[in-house]
Amino acid sequence: EAGVAQSPRYKIIEKRQSVAFWCNPISGHATLYWYQQILGQGPKLLIQFQNNGVVDDSQLPKDRFSAERLKGVDSTLKIQPAKLEDSAVYLCASSYPSRGEETQYFGPGTRLLVL
Amino acid sequence: GENVEQHPSTLSVQEGDSAVIKCTYSDSASNYFPWYKQELGKRPQLIIDIRSNVGEKKDQRIAVTLNKTAKHFSLHITETQPEDSAVYFCAAKTGGFKTIFGAGTRLFVKA
Repeated sequence: EAGVAQSPRYKIIEKRQSVAFWCNPISGHATLYWYQQILGQGPKLLIQFQNNGVVDDSQLPKDRFSAERLKGVDSTLKIQPAKLEDSAVYLCASSYPSRGEETQYFGPGTRLLVL
Repeated sequence: GENVEQHPSTLSVQEGDSAVIKCTYSDSASNYFPWYKQELGKRPQLIIDIRSNVGEKKDQRIAVTLNKTAKHFSLHITETQPEDSAVYFCAAKTGGFKTIFGAGTRLFVKA
């Protein structure tokens, strides 16, 4: 079974620039999550999709962050414009929510450095 | 708001000793509690989980206990080995279906 794929793996940009991250979840997984993990901290949920609908985006800074999952499979997360404090690893995860199966499978992450 | 607190932030043990990491959660409707292990530069990986209708679960050297009344759950690792060295995160799935992670515990196992 292929895992969660993310790209790019690394990105360096200057503040005020834009950046986009891509995630392909495990086939058949209806739920997709984007997390921000700042160095030394636990992952913080930014947005959660169920198929192509948003379940939770309460911690997404909507003035600069946006995410979509148009066909209920792949997802993109965009930051525009980036700030220094956006430097972090952005993790995508997916799960197949059904009775007894709630494990989230994480992708390798995209490491973002904003200069 | 919803919160998960995790202690200690750093834990150093001798190889063969036990390690215990504790977490508390705020949302009494939380019903699912996974534990993830994250090695340096790697993705978090699930090592064990427990549901709110169970008090304890064990998988070889790893066990998790849950006290719903106190809103408290713990990870126990016995006979620690150097390869157990990593950052461990607890998490709680809230009544609103959101997963909240703790801040992590950096475990060092000294050979």
